[in-house]
Amino acid sequence: EDQVTQSPEALRLQEGESSSLNCSYTVSGLRGLFWYRQDPGKGPEFLFTLYSAGEEKEKERLKATLTKKESFLHITAPKPEDSATYLCAVGKGNQGGKLIFGQGTELSVKP
Amino acid sequence: DAGVIQSPRHEVTEMGQEVTLRCKPISGHNSLFWYRQTMMRGLELLIYFNNNVPIDDSGMPEDRFSAKMPNASFSTLKIQPSEPRDSAVYFCASSLRDGPTDTQYFGPGTRLTVL
Repeated sequence: EDQVTQSPEALRLQEGESSSLNCSYTVSGLRGLFWYRQDPGKGPEFLFTLYSAGEEKEKERLKATLTKKESFLHITAPKPEDSATYLCAVGKGNQGGKLIFGQGTELSVKP
Repeated sequence: DAGVIQSPRHEVTEMGQEVTLRCKPISGHNSLFWYRQTMMRGLELLIYFNNNVPIDDSGMPEDRFSAKMPNASFSTLKIQPSEPRDSAVYFCASSLRDGPTDTQYFGPGTRLTVL
């Protein structure tokens, strides 16, 4: 069964304390892995798409990486405004636009 | 672009009433998705359309839920009759095409409370 699992469920960091969020997947025929950020009371906001193992993408303090089994979202020197829930989702080859979402990691960064 | 537009933003209704949620996708996008988000189940895909045609409705919970897309710029999700367990945040998203690498852009959501 296709599955996307995110860990940890919640992460508390001090401002400036770097860490990583994990998204592991058991999906055959992965075509794209997406990272979204969701603030309370808002819709998910697109961050990155990764297409193949070895690919990396960066945006400000965030860097996403992809292997054949998992993706990491590295957060370097986080600030309180990075606090949000981070969602990953996978698109596979025979399901059109349908994405499989993980449960998310709730990140809290304290000053 | 204004992004995906949803209305209403909040809806409070009583059990048994009909509820209609509305969505306007990003102009030029050919695919539209309806999701439901709860603490227990996370983000679940209910149904999606491509070129106004329903492609996958396997996530629609039961016959009380129905969705339509009469044209490229408007879609509705209807619940009739509503039940307390339908309380959730409902999101609409759109993408340029119907593919596994096409980015979905989400609206702000409708928070539904059924009393």
